[in-house]
Amino acid sequence: DTEVTQTPKHLVMGMTNKKSLKCEQHMGHRAMYWYKQKAKKPPELMFVYSYEKLSINESVPSRFSPECPNSSLLNLHLHALQPEDSALYLCASSQPGQGPEAFFGQGTRLTVV
Amino acid sequence: GNSVTQMEGPVTLSEEAFLTINCTYTATGYPSLFWYVQYPGEGLQLLLKATKADDKGSNKGFEATYRKETTSFHLEKGSVQVSDSAVYFCALTPTGTASKLTFGTGTRLQVTL
Repeated sequence: DTEVTQTPKHLVMGMTNKKSLKCEQHMGHRAMYWYKQKAKKPPELMFVYSYEKLSINESVPSRFSPECPNSSLLNLHLHALQPEDSALYLCASSQPGQGPEAFFGQGTRLTVV
Repeated sequence: GNSVTQMEGPVTLSEEAFLTINCTYTATGYPSLFWYVQYPGEGLQLLLKATKADDKGSNKGFEATYRKETTSFHLEKGSVQVSDSAVYFCALTPTGTASKLTFGTGTRLQVTL
């Protein structure tokens, strides 16, 4: 099973809303990632969790708040977003020491209105 | 720093034509190299990988060979199908870790009947 599951698939939110994106994997991977992808662009790394600890924050604004409650789950909490934050948000996972590849979910298409 | 350069798209081919998408990279040491594919409205799928010089990655009729002397990882397929229409991303990661995936800009492939 090489599946990373993201929910919801689509999300529309206002600039004053608070929402959360969820990601789950059952491959036993201990590294999980959030990427942001704008239209016609490659994914850009936002955060990396390694063994449930935040190891990389690519200078992401504080309106994005990641959380890793356990080794299978990764959340991205959203608050006071701007329309330019509209994008496809991708979750990925990998297993340190087991291979360099990362496996991606289907993404959450976020629209901020 | 690390970087990946892909040929500009879109690439438009007739079904059963031969495909080449060029990819060159700049990196220190011995990175791992990947091709990911993104179908419309979906996340990224790992298509193939190579982890050391002269390795050939292959999957679903696609192939790419890790050429350290030319720092290249060109994607090829002998006979494309309409269902291969997608965006293809070349990517690399430093030795032994998926933490810092560096993507190329992506190449859109359109296959027509």
